[in-house]
Amino acid sequence: DAKTTQPNSMESNEEEPVHLPCNHSTISGTDYIHWYRQLPSQGPEYVIHGLTSNVNNRMASLAIAEDRKSSTLILHRATLRDAAVYYCILRDVIGSARQLTFGSGTQLTVLP
Amino acid sequence: GAGVSQTPSNKVTEKGKYVELRCDPISGHTALYWYRQSLGQGPEFLIYFQGTGAADDSGLPNDRFFAVRPEGSVSTLKIQRTERGDSAVYLCASSFERGRSIADTQYFGPGTRLTVL
Repeated sequence: DAKTTQPNSMESNEEEPVHLPCNHSTISGTDYIHWYRQLPSQGPEYVIHGLTSNVNNRMASLAIAEDRKSSTLILHRATLRDAAVYYCILRDVIGSARQLTFGSGTQLTVLP
Repeated sequence: GAGVSQTPSNKVTEKGKYVELRCDPISGHTALYWYRQSLGQGPEFLIYFQGTGAADDSGLPNDRFFAVRPEGSVSTLKIQRTERGDSAVYLCASSFERGRSIADTQYFGPGTRLTVL
């Protein structure tokens, strides 16, 4: 499976935008890019996903590089409740594996 | 509506004992997953059910681990002869799988924290 690389930790100030990077240089043409986050003492929750085009939803935006070897999750105005571990995950649309393969993620700290 | 629930929230047991962890998925979700999360790491896949059958159990670490989903809803993860290394948070997730759509979101429960003394 193609792997992802994320920084171990990042800090942001409250109400400022946050850009969380993810590198996936070995991504295949059939890999979707998914983001999940895990708040303290909770299970992971879905944030957003995309294939080639940039995506927006109520939680965040996903910017995908033209060569698809990297992507960035954008939180437009970070709040204290956004403090979590953010996971960038590749899912192969034609592969048989249905599970999510988590890395270590990025621990986001939001400063008041 | 109700999300994925897991019981118990915490379980402390002694080495060598048998434990059962329960997962109640979101009603109507056909797929159910078990993951295990050690401190400071991301969740690791254990087993995946589609309906009543285990479609993929490649993540189970050894034959002490077993899971069932007899009626295609509630699932139980069973661990025999527990070892200290089994201590972790056990997470359950469910999804409503629409054919081969890779976009199917997995909804996670809060997990069961298992401590083996």
